[in-house]
Amino acid sequence: DAGVTQSPTHLIKTRGQQVTLRCSPKSGHDTVSWYQQALGQGPQFIFQYYEEEERQRGNFPDRFSGHQFPNYSSELNVNALLLGDSALYLCASSTNTGVGAQHFGDGTRLSIL
Amino acid sequence: AQSVTQLGSHVSVSEGALVLLRCNYSSSVPPYLFWYVQYPNQGLQLLLKYTSAATLVKGINGFEAEFKKSETSFHLTKPSAHMSDAAEYFCAVSAYSGGYQKVTFGTGTKLQVIP
Repeated sequence: DAGVTQSPTHLIKTRGQQVTLRCSPKSGHDTVSWYQQALGQGPQFIFQYYEEEERQRGNFPDRFSGHQFPNYSSELNVNALLLGDSALYLCASSTNTGVGAQHFGDGTRLSIL
Repeated sequence: AQSVTQLGSHVSVSEGALVLLRCNYSSSVPPYLFWYVQYPNQGLQLLLKYTSAATLVKGINGFEAEFKKSETSFHLTKPSAHMSDAAEYFCAVSAYSGGYQKVTFGTGTKLQVIP
């Protein structure tokens, strides 16, 4: 039973570029959340997708957008990259009826030059 | 509104000594509480969760945590530290907000185990 998988594992971009990160949830999970974890910090909630719609959003600008597909996989898109966007991006999946326990992928390390 | 405070960004213990990582939470509704562990270059792994059943929760790798409503605390303990416990630990609170579960993480405590 595969857990949460994220791709790519590492990515290097330059300021102003755009990036797409991908996530496949754990089998049986229908809800996907994205987090940004800066170095030495806890995960910061970006947004959550359920039934292909964004239903919760944290304090992130519109440069951050996402999508969920019918198979529950998800993408995180970031436009006009800034140096401050350098971080580990974590995807977490859960069930809509669950109590909030989430299963995390190993993340995508995004470096902005 | 909800929040989590983890006291001590770094904790050092000797191998075989008691591990105590502190977590205090704030929530306007009954919360669910979690501890996660993160090893370098990996995602977060769930250690244990409190979901309003027993107040003493046992998790993986010998860890346990006790929910104390009067103290709004959910401290993580392990009787005897092992070298493999060296990692970063995150406490998280989850509560219903606007019809959905909202999860908030603490800033983490890095545990060092000294041989």
